[in-house]
Amino acid sequence: EAGVTQSPTHLIKTRGQQATLRCSPISGHTSVYWYQQALGLGLQFLLWYDEGEERNRGNFPPRFSGRQFPNYSSELNVNALELEDSALYLCASSLESDGDIQYFGAGTRLSVL
Amino acid sequence: AQTVTQSQPEMSVQEAETVTLSCTYDTSESDYYLFWYKQPPSRQMILVIRQEAYKQQNATENRFSVNFQKAAKSFSLKISDSQLGDAAMYFCAYRSLYNFNKFYFGSGTKLNVKP
Repeated sequence: EAGVTQSPTHLIKTRGQQATLRCSPISGHTSVYWYQQALGLGLQFLLWYDEGEERNRGNFPPRFSGRQFPNYSSELNVNALELEDSALYLCASSLESDGDIQYFGAGTRLSVL
Repeated sequence: AQTVTQSQPEMSVQEAETVTLSCTYDTSESDYYLFWYKQPPSRQMILVIRQEAYKQQNATENRFSVNFQKAAKSFSLKISDSQLGDAAMYFCAYRSLYNFNKFYFGSGTKLNVKP
């Protein structure tokens, strides 16, 4: 069974540009979570999607947004990129009924120059 | 607000020996879950062990066990018979039962395993 997959593996952008990160959850999982892992820091919760709707949001500015598609895959969009947005972005998925266990992808490394 | 603190940024252990990673958390809630996740160089976070706060018995998964002290808000991970493959970043995490599906992670402990 395929795990959580994220693309691209690495993304290089310049300040002011937009970045789009993608995530495919484990088959059967309806919830998708996004986290930012900046260097030397733990994971910071960004967004949670379930059944196509945004259910919860972390303490991030509105230029961080996303969506979940009917097949439960998800996109994270970061507009007006800033240097401090450089981080590893991790996606996780869970079964709605078993939402306490999250399964993570390998992440997208976003570098903002 | 919930916070999770891992006070050991880095630790080392000799292969086959035992090591304990510390984690404390702050919460006013009575029911919650606690987790230890492992992040090897491949970057993929892997669940190591989970503890439900209402269970007094400490969780165990093979060589991994926890010491859950609810009153002290402490949740340490013990790795027995350490193996080279245990080398990774370890994150302690808290999940509220009330703020549904919002996880709080510690800053991580880097574990080095020496042959």
